[in-house]
Order: sequence, then C-alpha cells, then structure tokens
Amino acid sequence: GAGVSQSPRYKVAKRGQDVALRCDPISGHVSLFWYQQALGQGPEFLTYFQNEAQLDKSGLPSDRFFAERPEGSVSTLKIQRTQQEDSAVYLCASTLGGGGYEQYFGPGTRLTVT
Amino acid sequence: KQEVTQIPAALSVPEGENLVLNCSFTDSAIYNLQWFRQDPGKGLTSLLLIQSSQREQTSGRLNASLDKSSGRSTLYIAASQPGDSATYLCAVNRASGSRLTFGEGTQLTVNP
Repeated sequence: GAGVSQSPRYKVAKRGQDVALRCDPISGHVSLFWYQQALGQGPEFLTYFQNEAQLDKSGLPSDRFFAERPEGSVSTLKIQRTQQEDSAVYLCASTLGGGGYEQYFGPGTRLTVT
Repeated sequence: KQEVTQIPAALSVPEGENLVLNCSFTDSAIYNLQWFRQDPGKGLTSLLLIQSSQREQTSGRLNASLDKSSGRSTLYIAASQPGDSATYLCAVNRASGSRLTFGEGTQLTVNP
C-alpha cells in the first residue's frame, strides 16, 4: 500500500514568509508525528497526534510553529514568519497505535529560508 | 532527559566485511528501540524494531541486539555490500509518549 507522503518535497521561503507543510499518513494509522532534522543531525521530535488530538507539542521550538490534524488523517505543519534557523528537513511519521508499533516515515520536506 | 549516542560517527569498510554499529542510551526505561537507514536526501527506512522485552531481532543480513540494563544496542551487518552505504540511525521511545529520541547516526560507506 501507499506509504507516508509529504508535500512539497522542497520549499524555499524568504525570511518572514509563512509556510505550510503537508503530511498524508498511511491509511488507518492513528498516530502521527512531526520531526525536524538539521543537516548532519538525527531527527528531533516536534509534536504528536493521536487521531485529531494533539497530545504532545513540547518539541515545537517557538510559538511560530503550529500543527493541526483536524480530521484525524492529513496533518499540516505551519511555520509563521520563517527565520533562517528554521531551515531543516521536516519529517512526518505515522504508526498504527502507541509505543509498541514501528514508525513509518515520509520522504520529508526540505525547507530553506533565505 | 533521554540521550542517544552512536559510535562511530562515520565508518568506511571494504565490501564483504562484517561490521558492528553501536548505540547507547542514558535512560534504560525504554519501550522500543528502532534502527533506521537514511539515504542522502531521503526519509527514514525502518530496519528493525526491538521491544524492551526482547534481546535481538534479525532481518536478512542484519541483526540487532538490545541490552536494556546497560543501555546499549548493536546493529550487526554481515557481508556488507556497496548498497548498504547510508546513514544508520537508532532511536528509542517510552511507553507513555511514543515519541522517538534519535542518535546522530553513523555514516557507513562500503567500498567495492
């Protein structure tokens, strides 16, 4: 079946612009995660949804970052007033349930803020 | 706060060698440990998942072991091939939140 998809794959934004990154999880997957991966680093957790409920947003670096999953399927990560330090790959992952299941990752969106 | 460390940061081997990648974590209260590979410019591909009650998992030429009490895991790759060249990441999670905490990865190059 189809895996996790993300769009756009690449995004260039001028400093100060708002961006929206989309994640389509595997059909039927209850949990959805967003991670941020800086160049040469491992991914770092941003936020977590179970169905439409955002259960953990402790990893969001500032109040410029906002995520939603209104119908418990597709999720959008929005970054307002982008800064250069926001440049990174944003990865989305989904899983069937809680901690006992593998997380399946999408290809990521590479955001470059100029 | 959980911290995950991977050693070495980079490894270059000739084709055919058996090799071991190391992962250590500071908090032994984990639920799962997962090994991933990441090709340049791509997302993460799950290789193996070990639940905390397990000692090892095998898939083809890959074998991952877990020593939860000492906070260590190893990924063993047998008969390495150039196609194995990638960055290998390990990650752990706790039962309560399920978020993964990653190491910084080991960049593996297998030379033909």
